[in-house]
Amino acid sequence: GESVGLHLPTLSVQEGDNSIINCAYSNSASDYFIWYKQESGKGPQFIIDIRSNMDKRQGQRVTVLLNKTVKHLSLQIAATQPGDSAVYFCAENKNTDKLIFGTGTRLQVFP
Amino acid sequence: DAGVIQSPRHEVTEMGQEVTLRCKPISGHDYLFWYRQTMMRGLELLIYFNNNVPIDDSGMPEDRFSAKMPNASFSTLKIQPSEPRDSAVYFCASSFGVGSTEAFFGQGTRLTVV
Repeated sequence: GESVGLHLPTLSVQEGDNSIINCAYSNSASDYFIWYKQESGKGPQFIIDIRSNMDKRQGQRVTVLLNKTVKHLSLQIAATQPGDSAVYFCAENKNTDKLIFGTGTRLQVFP
Repeated sequence: DAGVIQSPRHEVTEMGQEVTLRCKPISGHDYLFWYRQTMMRGLELLIYFNNNVPIDDSGMPEDRFSAKMPNASFSTLKIQPSEPRDSAVYFCASSFGVGSTEAFFGQGTRLTVV
């Protein structure tokens, strides 16, 4: 079936470096792709989304890139901080009202 | 606003018992979602409501699971009878508007069935 999945289960980066979290998706009909952050003991929190007709969108310290040719989505975090340590999920919205989440990547930031 | 409020935060119950999880969405939000999170399966959408009406319950695993939304400010997810494989963190989320990509999640209920 259609799914959204992640390449790397754990990513370790040094504080101050840039982080890149990747996601592969299989449904090319999705309208939006979204990144969520989940800290330990909390629910997921919206970070940024990108519409399917775009290939790049920037937020505060974060950039999402969409490559529809290879069905790949990435989240770039600039100057990674300890507070960025969390599990990151990509999700998709197929012009419906529900979000389908991928399996998540754990980002660990060390000093 | 206090955000999405779920109760209880933790629930430990014996196999075969009935479990009821509760959720209060953000005021004004017209969509409410119930998700289940496990290490093996990640975040799974169980059911969602629009204006208190269930729209899609295709993610509900079995007839043992049921969800209701009697009004715009309250929803329940019930498991009867509970089984050890139901152990997971259950999240409630709410959002506003059609096709919204920003869902607001509660803190979750960690359910352990022994």
